[in-house]
Amino acid sequence: AQKVTQAQTEISVVEKEDVTLDCVYETRDTTYYLFWYKQPPSGELVFLIRRNSFDEQNEISGRYSWNFQKSTSSFNFTITASQVVDSAVYFCALSGPLGTYKYIFGTGTRLKVLA
Amino acid sequence: KAGVTQTPRYLIKTRGQQVTLSCSPISGHRSVSWYQQTPGQGLQFLFEYFSETQRNKGNFPGRFSGRQFSNSRSEMNVSTLELGDSALYLCASSLTQSTDTQYFGPGTRLTVL
Repeated sequence: AQKVTQAQTEISVVEKEDVTLDCVYETRDTTYYLFWYKQPPSGELVFLIRRNSFDEQNEISGRYSWNFQKSTSSFNFTITASQVVDSAVYFCALSGPLGTYKYIFGTGTRLKVLA
Repeated sequence: KAGVTQTPRYLIKTRGQQVTLSCSPISGHRSVSWYQQTPGQGLQFLFEYFSETQRNKGNFPGRFSGRQFSNSRSEMNVSTLELGDSALYLCASSLTQSTDTQYFGPGTRLTVL
């Protein structure tokens, strides 16, 4: 069965601290896709990144970086020098090959960045 | 390019009533998916439509149904509302029915009294 685990329910950091959000996934598919979304208080899920199972390169986008490790089935997300505007719920999601299933979301991690 | 739009944004209904939610995907996107988000159950997949056909369905009772029109707009219907149907209903669109990136709308918050 496919599963996404975000063990951190809530994290609080002080502004300018670095923070890493963990995501562990389970799947027996060889082709799959991983995603991160941000959900601010407004409710809309904002797409952050998509990774396919054949691309283990780490990704950096501004203050955001992602570490994908197939060996540990993890796709962790780091925010460097956090800001108050980063406060949101962050979701990790897993999707498989066409026709199998749609996104399986983790339970989310609520990040609070304190000024 | 306009994003995914959902109407209405807020709804209050009473038990036993039915409700219809609407979603307009990003222009050019042909796949529309619906999700229910509740504090207890998190984000759960309801169904996916592509070219007016339901291609995937989550584990929800038959009271939850949907459809897609030729212009890719989609509606979701919930009949015989129950208190437990109170949730944020999110619509997402993507280019095709494959695992392309999904882009989400702002959601419809349904409250059942």
